[in-house]
Amino acid sequence: EDQVTQSPEALRLQEGESSSLNCSYTVSGLRGLFWYRQDPGKGPEFLFTLYSAGEEKEKERLKATLTKKESFLHITAPKPEDSATYLCAVGDSWGKLQFGAGTQVVVTP
Amino acid sequence: GAVVSQHPSWVICKSGTSVKIECRSLDFQATTMFWYRQFPKQSLMLMATSNEGSKATYEQGVEKDKFLINHASLTLSTLTVTSAHPEDSSFYICSASDSGRRSDTQYFGPGTRLTVL
Repeated sequence: EDQVTQSPEALRLQEGESSSLNCSYTVSGLRGLFWYRQDPGKGPEFLFTLYSAGEEKEKERLKATLTKKESFLHITAPKPEDSATYLCAVGDSWGKLQFGAGTQVVVTP
Repeated sequence: GAVVSQHPSWVICKSGTSVKIECRSLDFQATTMFWYRQFPKQSLMLMATSNEGSKATYEQGVEKDKFLINHASLTLSTLTVTSAHPEDSSFYICSASDSGRRSDTQYFGPGTRLTVL
């Protein structure tokens, strides 16, 4: 059975304190590893899609990397506006996504 | 680009009534749309896959007669919660993939908060 596990469940950071979130997965026929950001009461906002091991993508203070078994979302010098729940999802051959439970990030000034 | 809208953003209804939620892709065409529900402090759970011009595919445990899905055009899918009960109260979110791109990326709507009294 496909599984997506995110860690840690919650992360509290000081502004400027860099850290990484982990997403480990077991899935047959991976069709993409997706990262989203979700603010309370809103739908997920797309961040990155990664397709193959070794791939990296960056956007502002965020950088996503992918290996054969896990993905990392690195947050460099975070700001309070980076506070959100970060969701990882894996896609299957049917185009469906299976989400992890998410990591809630709080960045304090 | 890749904007998805939902309407309404929130709805309160009485037990036993039906509620329709619309999901639109505003700047792209979507052959496939997806419907999720999310309970407080939990992640998204896929309910069904909506395919334009054909019947929706429901995930295990989701009652297709209770959650009616219609995908009548390449930019609109609707979810109707029939005979709603308090346990159907949840946050419903749709997503869509851009049919014109070679990508499985799903773009999400802002969600609809359903409260059944």
